[in-house]
Amino acid sequence: KQEVTQIPAALSVPEGENLVLNCSFTDSAIYNLQWFRQDPGKGLTSLLLIQSSQREQTSGRLNASLDKSSGRSTLYIAASQPGDSATYLCAVSTYDMRFGAGTRLTVKP
Amino acid sequence: EAGVVQSPRYKIIEKKQPVAFWCNPISGHNTLYWYRQNLGQGPELLIRYENEEAVDDSQLPKDRFSAERLKGVDSTLKIQPAELGDSAVYLCASSFMAGGGSYNEQFFGPGTRLTVL
Repeated sequence: KQEVTQIPAALSVPEGENLVLNCSFTDSAIYNLQWFRQDPGKGLTSLLLIQSSQREQTSGRLNASLDKSSGRSTLYIAASQPGDSATYLCAVSTYDMRFGAGTRLTVKP
Repeated sequence: EAGVVQSPRYKIIEKKQPVAFWCNPISGHNTLYWYRQNLGQGPELLIRYENEEAVDDSQLPKDRFSAERLKGVDSTLKIQPAELGDSAVYLCASSFMAGGGSYNEQFFGPGTRLTVL
């Protein structure tokens, strides 16, 4: 059974800092990995999707990398802003989709 | 383009009552998912449909939960009777899956927050 772990569970940084969120998974036989953002009381917004054959994806200030062999992915956020405050979840697709518990990010002005 | 639509957004019921949630996926998406998200946790898959067929319902508590996706578009998730432990956010998502089993990007609705008293 695929297990997905996200570290840290919570992170607080001052505005402008670059930061890295981590995601690890136990079964490397994945189709893809997706990073989501969730604001309080809201659904999930897709940020980046990395197919199993890819190493990274970029969108604006976000960069996600994937190392299938080691079962790891990172989400890099450059020049963080208070509007980036949210919970970030990674999800891994094998036969189904398994989510981590998320990292709750707070960016202080 | 409209996203995934869910209703109601909030529902408060007493235990042992029935409840139903509705989902309308993004037009053209053939795969529909129902997830349950408990506070402080990631979503957990309850059931996945490919068109009208439920292809993965292994995590659906079948004694009280049921789901249907008539005509391969809209879907309804029902709980009867509800228990206190069913309080959670129920999320619907959709995607387009091409042949070969490759899973594409999932898009989520806003969810239904269920409170069972």
